[in-house]
Amino acid sequence: AQTVTQSQPEMSVQEAETVTLSCTYDTSESDYYLFWYKQPPSRQMILVIRQEAYKQQNATENRFSVNFQKAAKSFSLKISDSQLGDAAMYFCAYRLNRDDKIIFGKGTRLHILP
Amino acid sequence: DTAVSQTPKYLVTQMGNDKSIKCEQNLGHDTMYWYKQDSKKFLKIMFSYNNKELIINETVPNRFSPKSPDKAHLNLHINSLELGDSAVYFCASSPGHSGYGDTQYFGPGTRLTVL
Repeated sequence: AQTVTQSQPEMSVQEAETVTLSCTYDTSESDYYLFWYKQPPSRQMILVIRQEAYKQQNATENRFSVNFQKAAKSFSLKISDSQLGDAAMYFCAYRLNRDDKIIFGKGTRLHILP
Repeated sequence: DTAVSQTPKYLVTQMGNDKSIKCEQNLGHDTMYWYKQDSKKFLKIMFSYNNKELIINETVPNRFSPKSPDKAHLNLHINSLELGDSAVYFCASSPGHSGYGDTQYFGPGTRLTVL
């Protein structure tokens, strides 16, 4: 069975600094997608970034980038120049390409210190 | 311009009651989902529908019955509510279904509190 593990329940970072959130997953499949979702206090689930497993190049979206290590089954999220608005729960998620189901990790709560 | 909307946003009710949560998406997507987020923030899929057809039913008690009158709507009806049903319920949609790896877009969630 596929699982997603986020080993850091909470993290803090100073405003304008860089922070990396960890995620590992377990699968025997080769064709899948990985996502990071952000859930601010408003409760809305917002897609931050997505990575196709067949692509070697790491995905980047402005200040957000991932370090995708397929062999190690690791998918970390790096946030550069952290801003107060980045404070939220961050969920790592996995989806098999041939399946509709997204499997979520338990989340990392990120605090931004002014 | 809301892409995926849910009503109501908050629902407080007594044990044993029956309640419904509505979801609508205006993205033209074919697939819709219901997720449950428990008090520890753990998010888990409950159901998915593709073009009004049930695709995933993730061992949810049969007190939960999704209904899709058309592909833009997926409602969730819950019978005989129990304390353990208290959670945030998210609706989501995606353009296609399995084989496309599509991103899912979430609604704002409905916080259900059962007293």
